[in-house]
Amino acid sequence: SQQGEEDPQALSIQEGENATMNCSYKTSINNLQWYRQNSGRGLVHLILIRSNEREKHSGRLRVTLDTSKKSSSLLITASRAADTASYFCATDSVLSSNTGKLIFGQGTTLQVKP
Amino acid sequence: NAGVTQTPKFRVLKTGQSMTLLCAQDMNHEYMYWYRQDPGMGLRLIHYSVGEGTTAKGEVPDGYNVSRLKKQNFLLGLESAAPSQTSVYFCASSFQGPDTGELFFGEGSRLTVL
Repeated sequence: SQQGEEDPQALSIQEGENATMNCSYKTSINNLQWYRQNSGRGLVHLILIRSNEREKHSGRLRVTLDTSKKSSSLLITASRAADTASYFCATDSVLSSNTGKLIFGQGTTLQVKP
Repeated sequence: NAGVTQTPKFRVLKTGQSMTLLCAQDMNHEYMYWYRQDPGMGLRLIHYSVGEGTTAKGEVPDGYNVSRLKKQNFLLGLESAAPSQTSVYFCASSFQGPDTGELFFGEGSRLTVL
């Protein structure tokens, strides 16, 4: 079964606006990662947040993690048309330690209109 | 430095035919993974390997076999293709495991089974 569920499934915003995507998961984790996928391409790693961290920043990206609620959010500030892509959260469950397995959510499709 | 390379990129099979997808990485990564991506399902782990000569089952292993004879290569085989195996297949690799960092993905192999 899928570890992560993402919300919303699709998001459409204007350039310059902020985009927020949410991810919920089921089991305790070592870390949570966010990936981006442009149409027809492979996934690209964006950011990793460990279970003992609550917030992390990378450029225009801000990720929060609430382990008590088993949820995470990805905020993209000042969005650009080039941010149009699908975004996936992925979790490294404590049950899978030393196996390297990541379980992916279903993804949020973001469209940024110029 | 090519990263993760998948071949072929596209393939059409008839039901019952067999084929092998090849994944090659040049980053000296220990861990390698095969995922499949279907609309609305996110990525699901088929098989993975934590080192040369080792393989293990993921979430959806039925109908697939894998081999990791060389550290840099991870092969995914379909012995008797079925229409339900129509999907986009992604290979990924990581240095030790997601707890130490990110997964690097190939560009995908699109398989259609008629």
